[in-house]
Amino acid sequence: NAGVTQTPKFRILKIGQSMTLQCTQDMNHNYMYWYRQDPGMGLKLIYYSVGAGITDKGEVPNGYNVSRSTTEDFPLRLELAAPSQTSVYFCASGLDHNEQFFGPGTRLTVL
Amino acid sequence: QKEVEQNSGPLSVPEGAIASLNCTYSDRGSQSFFWYRQYSGKSPELIMSIYSNGDKEDGRFTAQLNKASQYVSLLIRDSQPSDSATYLCAAYNDMRFGAGTRLTVKP
Repeated sequence: NAGVTQTPKFRILKIGQSMTLQCTQDMNHNYMYWYRQDPGMGLKLIYYSVGAGITDKGEVPNGYNVSRSTTEDFPLRLELAAPSQTSVYFCASGLDHNEQFFGPGTRLTVL
Repeated sequence: QKEVEQNSGPLSVPEGAIASLNCTYSDRGSQSFFWYRQYSGKSPELIMSIYSNGDKEDGRFTAQLNKASQYVSLLIRDSQPSDSATYLCAAYNDMRFGAGTRLTVKP
């Protein structure tokens, strides 16, 4: 099992550009999450999903969108990139709300 | 505002000592608590979960929960240099994480 995979690993965006961060898991987990981690800070929940077709906002959803059309994939969309969105983005999955398995992260810089 | 707070450290202990990491939370509705370890530049990995008041031991790690005081702690016995990392506390009523405590174990 590859576990949770994220692409790309690194990305530099210009202000106002859009992009999609990809997340895929092969563990048949129903629960999937997107977090951002700013330098020296903990994780903040952006969006989560408890199954295909179901998504819900976390603590910091503004500026982001998600979709969950399959169990395996949970892409995160940034529509109009802003410098405040410079961060490391982690995707995670789990059988329930308890143990979460994290992907390797995407380091995003918005200039 | 619901918060999970940790001492940011850094916490430095000698090899073989006990490292004590502390966490407080504000949301009394939180039922599940977790400790994650994060090495520099890597993703978090779960090391302990605790749901009931009291202690829970797993190898060199002991998690302690006191819901009345809204306090969670992690003890690492016989600390090793490989334990040097940032430790994140999380409260799972709404998946809130603390900012983490950076631990350094000196040989």
